[in-house]
Amino acid sequence: DGGITQSPKYLFRKEGQNVTLSCEQNLNHDAMYWYRQDPGQGLRLIYYSQIVNDFQKGDIAEGYSVSREKKESFPLTVTSAQKNPTAFYLCASTLLRGGNTEAFFGQGTRLTVV
Amino acid sequence: DAKTTQPPSMDCAEGRAANLPCNHSTISGNEYVYWYRQIHSQGPQYIIHGLKNNETNEMASLIITEDRKSSTLILPHATLRDTAVYYCIVMPTGANNLFFGTGTRLTVIP
Repeated sequence: DGGITQSPKYLFRKEGQNVTLSCEQNLNHDAMYWYRQDPGQGLRLIYYSQIVNDFQKGDIAEGYSVSREKKESFPLTVTSAQKNPTAFYLCASTLLRGGNTEAFFGQGTRLTVV
Repeated sequence: DAKTTQPPSMDCAEGRAANLPCNHSTISGNEYVYWYRQIHSQGPQYIIHGLKNNETNEMASLIITEDRKSSTLILPHATLRDTAVYYCIVMPTGANNLFFGTGTRLTVIP
């Protein structure tokens, strides 16, 4: 079955360490997105990518980095420069053709930095 | 991209219709209205979308005003499992920035 997979579901890291969150999709979607969600808050866009080897900053890109070497993969690195990395991270993907750009979401990665 | 305004929270009695409003007064002609919902600690789930006409599927109905500046998501017979945060977003064809906002927290009361 086609879908979008995030791993791991829970992740613990020590303060000052970089950590990479995985996002893979087999939907042949063009665009992929990373969001951050804090308790009781909405989704805030970190980075997005419309095509391989290209990506754009969202509203809160500072302290994060991404790569898009393959169409199906869009990993997010939370660097030590991110001041408050503990959050729920969501990855999404969409087609960019036609009038229907329904977004599919992964189940999220909950990152806790101690 | 157009942004949306939704009430922060709503309650609904179990078995009754839940009507969730959304204002998108700056929507452009090529932008669709999408509704998603997010149950606690899960990824958002697609519900329904529309451009101009009212739409219905097995989950909900979407009513879009004639001027397209607002819409209402209707859950005809709310259940406890419909308790979630509901997001209304607008996206043009070839969207590259899905702006979600804070949504409406719907609580279905027994």
